[in-house]
Amino acid sequence: EPEVTQTPSHQVTQMGQEVILRCVPISNHLYFYWYRQILGQKVEFLVSFYNNEISEKSEIFDDQFSVERPDGSNFTLKIRSTKLEDSAMYFCADHPGQSSDEQFFGPGTRLTVL
Amino acid sequence: AQKVTQAQTEISVVEKEDVTLDCVYETRDTTYYLFWYKQPPSGELVFLIRRNSFDEQNEISGRYSWNFQKSTSSFNFTITASQVVDSAVYFCALSEGTGFQKLVFGTGTRLLVSP
Repeated sequence: EPEVTQTPSHQVTQMGQEVILRCVPISNHLYFYWYRQILGQKVEFLVSFYNNEISEKSEIFDDQFSVERPDGSNFTLKIRSTKLEDSAMYFCADHPGQSSDEQFFGPGTRLTVL
Repeated sequence: AQKVTQAQTEISVVEKEDVTLDCVYETRDTTYYLFWYKQPPSGELVFLIRRNSFDEQNEISGRYSWNFQKSTSSFNFTITASQVVDSAVYFCALSEGTGFQKLVFGTGTRLLVSP
C-alpha cells in the first residue's frame, strides 16, 4: 500500500543552522501539508500546498519557513535559521483530492535544535 | 474559527473496561469533516475514522465505536473491552469545507490501559 515517507527520521542541528526536512508524498496525490507537534503537545498546522503554491499557512509559518516541491515528487520544508523552540516532530501529509478521502500522514521527522 | 476541545487529558483504565473519549468541536461551516487519530508511543499518527457533517450515523468498527451528535457538537469515541495495545494518545480533529482543508487538532487524550 502506498505511503508517505519522510527523511530523516531524526535530525539534530545547532541553533541558527538551516535544516531541510524531506517528504515523498503518495504518487498522484494533489494536496500537501506540513504539521508540527512540540513534544507532549497537540499537532499544529503549518502550511498547505496545492498546484505548486502555498494555499494556506498558519501564524507559525513565518519568514523562517519555506516549502517547495522541486522535482514534482519530493516536498520539502526548510527552516532557515533554527531556534530552540523549533524542536518538534514535523509531519508531512497529503490528500488525493477526492472529498471522500482523508489526509495521509508520514511517520514524522523529529527535529532537535541544540 | 474552528476549534476542537478534548477536555480529558489522561484516562487510566484496567484491561477489558470500556472507555469513552470526548471531543467537542466548534465551526461556523455547515460542511466539515471530523476525524480521530491514534498516536502510539512510537509517534506516528494512525488514522481511525473520518465523518462528514451530513452523516450523523454512528459507526462501529470492531471494538471501536463513534457517536456523532451535531446537536451538541460532539464526536465521541468509545473503545469496548480495552486492551493494553490501546494505550496511546488519541486526537480528534476537524477540517472545514471540502475535505482538503487543514486539520485542526484537539489537545489529545492519553489513554493508559493497564493489565
